Amino acid sequence: AQSVTQPDIHITVSEGASLELRCNYSYGATPYLFWYVQSPGQGLQLLLKYFSGDTLVQGIKGFEAEFKRSQSSFNLRKPSVHWSDAAEYFCAVGATGRRALTFGSGTRLQVQP
Amino acid sequence: GAGVSQSPSNKVTEKGKDVELRCDPISGHTALYWYRQSLGQGLEFLIYFQGNSAPDKSGLPSDRFSAERTGGSVSTLTIQRTQQEDSAVYLCASSLGTTTNEKLFFGSGTQLSVL
Repeated sequence: AQSVTQPDIHITVSEGASLELRCNYSYGATPYLFWYVQSPGQGLQLLLKYFSGDTLVQGIKGFEAEFKRSQSSFNLRKPSVHWSDAAEYFCAVGATGRRALTFGSGTRLQVQP
Repeated sequence: GAGVSQSPSNKVTEKGKDVELRCDPISGHTALYWYRQSLGQGLEFLIYFQGNSAPDKSGLPSDRFSAERTGGSVSTLTIQRTQQEDSAVYLCASSLGTTTNEKLFFGSGTQLSVL
């Protein structure tokens, strides 16, 4: 069965600083990988996804993620964080033949002025 | 509707009572999912509906949990004889239902508190 680990429960960065959120997955084949963001009081929103092709994926709101098969990672990055990026971020993996995604435990991002 | 709608947004109940949580998916979405988000934990898959196919119930934690989807649209998640460990945010999501890697659209969730 697939699994997802987000090692950082909580991260604080200053506005304008760069950001990297870590995600490691476990799955025997090529995975489908996703990053979702949950802003306070709102539902989860898809930031980006990877399922094949170019390993560097661009998403909404200036986010990108890189799939590294050798490291079983799919880290989320943003060059310059804005105060509105404060939210909880979830990495998820999907398996062939099974539609239900497996989510990580999330990383809460706090942005300092 | 414009998005996935869940009701109620908050529910407080006493231990041992039954509760029903409702989800209205986006019109035209054939796939519907229920997830549970407990404090400090990730989203835990509960159940998945796809069109008229038999639902994937593999994530339901006990036989106290059940869900149905009437007419391929609205879904109700029922928890019988609630326990304190059932306290969580229950999230519903829908999608077009055409591919495995498609985007999920989530509702804002129902915060369930069992006293």
